[in-house]
Amino acid sequence: GAVVSQHPSRVICKSGTSVKIECRSLDFQATTMFWYRQFPKKSLMLMATSNEGSKATYEQGVEKDKFLINHASLTLSTLTVTSAHPEDSSFYICSARGRETQYFGPGTRLLVL
Amino acid sequence: AQSVTQPDIHITVSEGASLELRCNYSYGATPYLFWYVQSPGQGLQLLLKYFSGDTLVQGIKGFEAEFKRSQSSFNLRKPSVHWSDAAEYFCAVEYRDSWGKLQFGAGTQVVVTP
Repeated sequence: GAVVSQHPSRVICKSGTSVKIECRSLDFQATTMFWYRQFPKKSLMLMATSNEGSKATYEQGVEKDKFLINHASLTLSTLTVTSAHPEDSSFYICSARGRETQYFGPGTRLLVL
Repeated sequence: AQSVTQPDIHITVSEGASLELRCNYSYGATPYLFWYVQSPGQGLQLLLKYFSGDTLVQGIKGFEAEFKRSQSSFNLRKPSVHWSDAAEYFCAVEYRDSWGKLQFGAGTQVVVTP
């Protein structure tokens, strides 16, 4: 099956710094990728849709200036959490849309101190 | 508003027993339907999906799901549970005007006892 990777798998940063998370589709091209956030023991919340070569589309309530998304190629989308604060600590999961379904990355655990 | 409901937050089942996880969605038209499994600290793995056709869908790891249009349901079943099936299970729907966006249910935590 299709493989999606995320890097890093875990990151700890100080409050006020920025953190970049990469999402790569390893064996297929994805014009569309999605970014989700998952709180402990909660479901996945869609944050934004990342489209190659165009601006991301953010869901209602998600701060676009806080969560910068760039989809520079057909295999790479990045999520940058800018000026991170402890409340941004979460599990971030990306997915890449294949022919008929989405393939999910393993997730990135972000802890902001 | 569109919604996906998984009524059972937590299910405990004995190894070897059968398992059924419930999922209901609200919408007029039939969406695409999915079941995913998530192990602790991991991403999501697709178990099975329904787009159209036969309403009984076979997936990986011995799972199956049945789409019932009249009940707007897509329940997941496994005849005999293994200890390795302990995980979080998510039902998800892709509404046909949503450009590929998935809406997830709240998830069901499955605990398998010896």
